[in-house]
Amino acid sequence: AQSVTQLGSHVSVSEGALVLLRCNYSSSVPPYLFWYVQYPNQGLQLLLKYTSAATLVKGINGFEAEFKKSETSFHLTKPSAHMSDAAEYFCAVSGAGGTSYGKLTFGQGTILTVHP
Amino acid sequence: DTAVSQTPKYLVTQMGNDKSIKCEQNLGHDTMYWYKQDSKKFLKIMFSYNNKELIINETVPNRFSPKSPDKAHLNLHINSLELGDSAVYFCASSSRDRGYEETQYFGPGTRLLVL
Repeated sequence: AQSVTQLGSHVSVSEGALVLLRCNYSSSVPPYLFWYVQYPNQGLQLLLKYTSAATLVKGINGFEAEFKKSETSFHLTKPSAHMSDAAEYFCAVSGAGGTSYGKLTFGQGTILTVHP
Repeated sequence: DTAVSQTPKYLVTQMGNDKSIKCEQNLGHDTMYWYKQDSKKFLKIMFSYNNKELIINETVPNRFSPKSPDKAHLNLHINSLELGDSAVYFCASSSRDRGYEETQYFGPGTRLLVL
């Protein structure tokens, strides 16, 4: 079984400020972790993914995330927010095999608002 | 070039009708998926096909029937539509034979409204 919890359904930051979106997961098998972004009325776009290589993962648009097994976390960060980062962000987990294979389980999403 | 495309983009229909949503991918992937995003933006997997074979079938009413005529297409047919079926339906695809960590690429979504 696997699940994802995103802490904070809404996060608001000022332009230029640090962005921190929190994600905690549970998985009965070694996890693969993903962050997707969804702009209004659009599909999901992959930001980055963790696949058991480096624990610090860099993605597109200046985002990065760190896998911390001891904390079962995969928080998403960006040093300096831009207005164009305003969107909804989804953390997701899939398993490395068994019944979790290929089955993405999503968190409930975090809406990021960026103020000028 | 669109990687994963869905038609129609919007679908408004009456309760009790039957409707289909089509999905096509040109990425050469062998696995395709259907997800449902409800009004609270919660995304949940419904089905997955690998090489035209059903491999994931979550707890979904029998009114929903996926069909995969070939590896590049996965259609979703819904019978006797109900108000609760109103949602955004996303198609996705991935390449299973590249390993467990394959990325799923999503289509733009089909917004279904049942009146």
